[in-house]
Amino acid sequence: DGGITQSPKYLFRKEGQNVTLSCEQNLNHDAMYWYRQDPGQGLRLIYYSQIVNDFQKGDIAEGYSVSREKKESFPLTVTSAQKNPTAFYLCASHLTGQETQYFGPGTRLLVL
Amino acid sequence: SQKIEQNSEALNIQEGKTATLTCNYTNYSPAYLQWYRQDPGRGPVFLLLIRENEKEKRKERLKVTFDTTLKQSLFHITASQPADSATYLCALVRTGFQKLVFGTGTRLLVSP
Repeated sequence: DGGITQSPKYLFRKEGQNVTLSCEQNLNHDAMYWYRQDPGQGLRLIYYSQIVNDFQKGDIAEGYSVSREKKESFPLTVTSAQKNPTAFYLCASHLTGQETQYFGPGTRLLVL
Repeated sequence: SQKIEQNSEALNIQEGKTATLTCNYTNYSPAYLQWYRQDPGRGPVFLLLIRENEKEKRKERLKVTFDTTLKQSLFHITASQPADSATYLCALVRTGFQKLVFGTGTRLLVSP
């Protein structure tokens, strides 16, 4: 099956801890994105990457980091600097030249 | 400032009626606008795309209109069914950019 997978489905973070959310796609898409979704605020862009080994900050990058070492993988690390990490995190990808973004099932991050 | 607005109140309609959802934007000149469906705890799923030079687009029971003078898109679901109950998000791309900007979404509830 082709698609985007995210893991884990639920993630718990302790105070001061860094956690990493996984995003993998086998659609051969060039571009990948990370969004954060809070109730009543819609999706906000954290980071995006249009090619391997390159990524750009989105609108709310502070407290987050990413890497893009492989085309199919775009992990997101929520660092201890992110003071309000509780949210639903969505990964998406699209093929260059096409406009539709394909989303993963999401990871819900909760703080203990 | 740039804004995308969708009605934050849920839209309740009866099965068989037409649902109409609104997306208004300010201070954007979008190249195109997209509509996505999101079910609770899941990632958004692409439904329709309409370009700035198109007035209307249809797909089965779905219809989207795009009025760049009014800066508004309307999303219609005809002969609505309880299975259409979900949150519907509009998203637009600013001309010359690749990033999508999402509205907050409107929840649709179709009762039998």
